[in-house]
Amino acid sequence: AQTVTQSQPEMSVQEAETVTLSCTYDTSESNYYLFWYKQPPSRQMILVIRQEAYKQQNATENRFSVNFQKAAKSFSLKISDSQLGDTAMYFCAFVYNFGNEKLTFGTGTRLTIIP
Amino acid sequence: DTGVSQNPRHKITKRGQNVTFRCDPISEHNRLYWYRQTLGQGPEFLTYFQNEAQLEKSRLLSDRFSAERPKGSFSTLEIQRTEQGDSAMYLCASSTNTESYEQYFGPGTRLTVT
Repeated sequence: AQTVTQSQPEMSVQEAETVTLSCTYDTSESNYYLFWYKQPPSRQMILVIRQEAYKQQNATENRFSVNFQKAAKSFSLKISDSQLGDTAMYFCAFVYNFGNEKLTFGTGTRLTIIP
Repeated sequence: DTGVSQNPRHKITKRGQNVTFRCDPISEHNRLYWYRQTLGQGPEFLTYFQNEAQLEKSRLLSDRFSAERPKGSFSTLEIQRTEQGDSAMYLCASSTNTESYEQYFGPGTRLTVT
């Protein structure tokens, strides 16, 4: 069974600072995708960033970047120049079954950006 | 707005009653997913449709739960004889046959069983 672990239930950081959210996962699959989803308060979940396991290069999307360590099964999210709008729950998620791409989520990290 | 929509947004019901939720996916998306999210947890997969065919159901989906997607368009999730443990946020997501594997989520339906 695939599992995703997020060990930081809550984090807070001053606006404009950099913050890193941790995620580890367990799988015996070799081909899979990893995601970070953001769920703002009372709003719907949106994709922040995606990483294909076969790609060694870490994905980046503007202020968001990941540190993907396949051997260690680690997938952390770095948010640079944090903004108030980054306040949200962040979920790490995993998909491997490329016929039914059901997501397996971690328990989430509640991130608060302090003005 | 062409995003995923869900109705109702909130539902309060008494234990033992039946409830039905609706999800309207993005129009060209052929894949539709239902997830359940309880407080302090990440979403958990419930069931998956490709077009009108229900291809997988989680063991979380007891006999009291049923989902349909007639004509491969909108989907409904029905819970019969609700229990307090059914209280949760029910999320719908849709996607297409692309290699991005990105799922687009709706705002969810929050169910409270009293």
